[in-house]
Amino acid sequence: SQKIEQNSEALNIQEGKTATLTCNYTNYSPAYLQWYRQDPGRGPVFLLLIRENEKEKRKERLKVTFDTTLKQSLFHITASQPADSATYLCALDKSGGGADGLTFGKGTHLIIQP
Amino acid sequence: SAVISQKPSRDICQRGTSLTIQCQVDSQVTMMFWYRQQPGQSLTLIATANQGSEATYESGFVIDKFPISRPNLTFSTLTVSNMSPEDSSIYLCSVNRGSTDTQYFGPGTRLTVL
Repeated sequence: SQKIEQNSEALNIQEGKTATLTCNYTNYSPAYLQWYRQDPGRGPVFLLLIRENEKEKRKERLKVTFDTTLKQSLFHITASQPADSATYLCALDKSGGGADGLTFGKGTHLIIQP
Repeated sequence: SAVISQKPSRDICQRGTSLTIQCQVDSQVTMMFWYRQQPGQSLTLIATANQGSEATYESGFVIDKFPISRPNLTFSTLTVSNMSPEDSSIYLCSVNRGSTDTQYFGPGTRLTVL
């Protein structure tokens, strides 16, 4: 069955450093991969989408890479700030394209320490 | 993006009872999605609701337990029937934009079943 794994349940990073989060998947050939941020008591918020034919995507301090050979995506936050502390979720489309919902990883809880 | 509201934001219910959760979107959308997020777990898709047709349920979820209504293009309800403590969870509705399945989530309904 399809499986998404995200590294560790909590990641502590010092303010100003780069935080790197990992998303691995198996038994899957996604057309695209998405990253979401979730704060306590709130629904997830979309951050970035990267397609299978893209190697890298950037948005301000965020960078996502996508390696379909390794079946892995890396999510980087540069110059991290305490406000970046949240849970970050990796998500894949369920059926290789088309709008029919997402499969989410369990998420990585990121803590940026001042 | 989309503005999505849910009612109630939280509730505490007795086992054996049912709760209906409402989801309102600020614009017309074809598809609405219902997810569940159990404590410490990731989001799991329950069903996809299209206006004018029966909802499509994911493996492990059945209509008798989670009946869904979709009376128009801006509104949907999810009912959690005959509740047990295992149904304690956050229930989220979402909508997608475009063909890439980027999801916009409501704030969630936190349900506790005693």
